[in-house]
Amino acid sequence: GQQVMQIPQYQHVQEGEDFTTYCNSSTTLSNIQWYKQRPGGHPVFLIQLVKSGEVKKQKRLTFQFGEAKKNSSLHITATQTTDVGTYFCAGLESGGYQKVTFGIGTKLQVIP
Amino acid sequence: GAGVSQSPSNKVTEKGKDVELRCDPISGHTALYWYRQSLGQGLEFLIYFQGNSAPDKSGLPSDRFSAERTGGSVSTLTIQRTQQEDSAVYLCASSWGGLRDSGNTIYFGEGSWLTVV
Repeated sequence: GQQVMQIPQYQHVQEGEDFTTYCNSSTTLSNIQWYKQRPGGHPVFLIQLVKSGEVKKQKRLTFQFGEAKKNSSLHITATQTTDVGTYFCAGLESGGYQKVTFGIGTKLQVIP
Repeated sequence: GAGVSQSPSNKVTEKGKDVELRCDPISGHTALYWYRQSLGQGLEFLIYFQGNSAPDKSGLPSDRFSAERTGGSVSTLTIQRTQQEDSAVYLCASSWGGLRDSGNTIYFGEGSWLTVV
């Protein structure tokens, strides 16, 4: 079945440093979504990318979808303590079953 | 309801007992997922329901785990003969399903925190 790999699993950064998490799918995706889970909370939808090569920005967050629609990245510029949490990518497989598969997540810790 | 509702929010049970966890998805959502998350860990996929299709049970860790979805809406996850390693948060999530642009956004419930003692 479809697999979605995400790295790194953990990342500690100094406040103000940049952060990137990467996601790779074993199969071509229809779209990819990103979610954030704050400590003690549940994952919350951030954004969805659909087109090959698509780039979207949300303030300090930049999301990219690869040309082959098999990989994606989330980059945070100048991290803040409010960025702490776990970031998950989730890929929608092509085909009729419409199942979304989550990556393992990247747990970000920001040191003030 | 306005969001995905799960009950109970917390459950402490003795080893060997059975537990049932309930999920009420957002009205009209055809897709429903169950995940397990141990403390500080990622999401472990358990089972996926989509409309009237046969569920994808590939993530269920053992035959002690089962889930059903009645009438395409409410779902129940049952864990029989609970073990201490079953202690985790069990998250339910739902989405519209289908190919519309926002159709696959996943909405999570608050989770059911299970502790097996």
